[in-house]
Amino acid sequence: AQSVTQLDSQVPVFEEAPVELRCNYSSSVSVYLFWYVQYPNQGLQLLLKYLSGSTLVKGINGFEAEFNKSQTSFHLRKPSVHISDTAEYFCAVSKISGGYNKLIFGAGTRLAVHP
Amino acid sequence: EPEVTQTPSHQVTQMGQEVILRCVPISNHLYFYWYRQILGQKVEFLVSFYNNEISEKSEIFDDQFSVERPDGSNFTLKIRSTKLEDSAMYFCASSDPGGRGYTFGSGTRLTVV
Repeated sequence: AQSVTQLDSQVPVFEEAPVELRCNYSSSVSVYLFWYVQYPNQGLQLLLKYLSGSTLVKGINGFEAEFNKSQTSFHLRKPSVHISDTAEYFCAVSKISGGYNKLIFGAGTRLAVHP
Repeated sequence: EPEVTQTPSHQVTQMGQEVILRCVPISNHLYFYWYRQILGQKVEFLVSFYNNEISEKSEIFDDQFSVERPDGSNFTLKIRSTKLEDSAMYFCASSDPGGRGYTFGSGTRLTVV
């Protein structure tokens, strides 16, 4: 079975500062990795995903994440945040298979960007 | 870009009533899912569906829940007799084979009173 740990429940940061949201996963098989963002009272928007290939993945809104297999991590980074990045961020994992793939989500990290 | 469409966006129902949440997955996707998010908590897997049958269900998905693909486009989640604790955001998702293209709908907020 897979599991996801998001190490920080809340991350406060000032506008234009860099930010890193941490995600570690556990799995006995190879996995796909995802980051989703959820703005207040809205749905889940895919930021980026790692399927294979380059371990540095670039997503929307200036976010990127690096897959580190040895450390089983997939941390999300942004070099300079905006007020509009204030949201809940979820890391998720699914096993690689030819069939269906349920996503296992972490508990989420609330990013609060202050002026 | 193709979207997963969910209706209604909000639903209020009385405890004990049946509700049906509707979803239109992406047309060339073969795998369909329902997830639940209780307010302030993480997103939890409920059920996956392929080839007109359930592939996997979580322990949350008990006998009061059922899923159906009544026609070629809709995918529904039925809660037979709602409880207060069923109040949550319900997300539908669909994926292509292998899960590389995985898309969520915008959710249905269910409030049981």
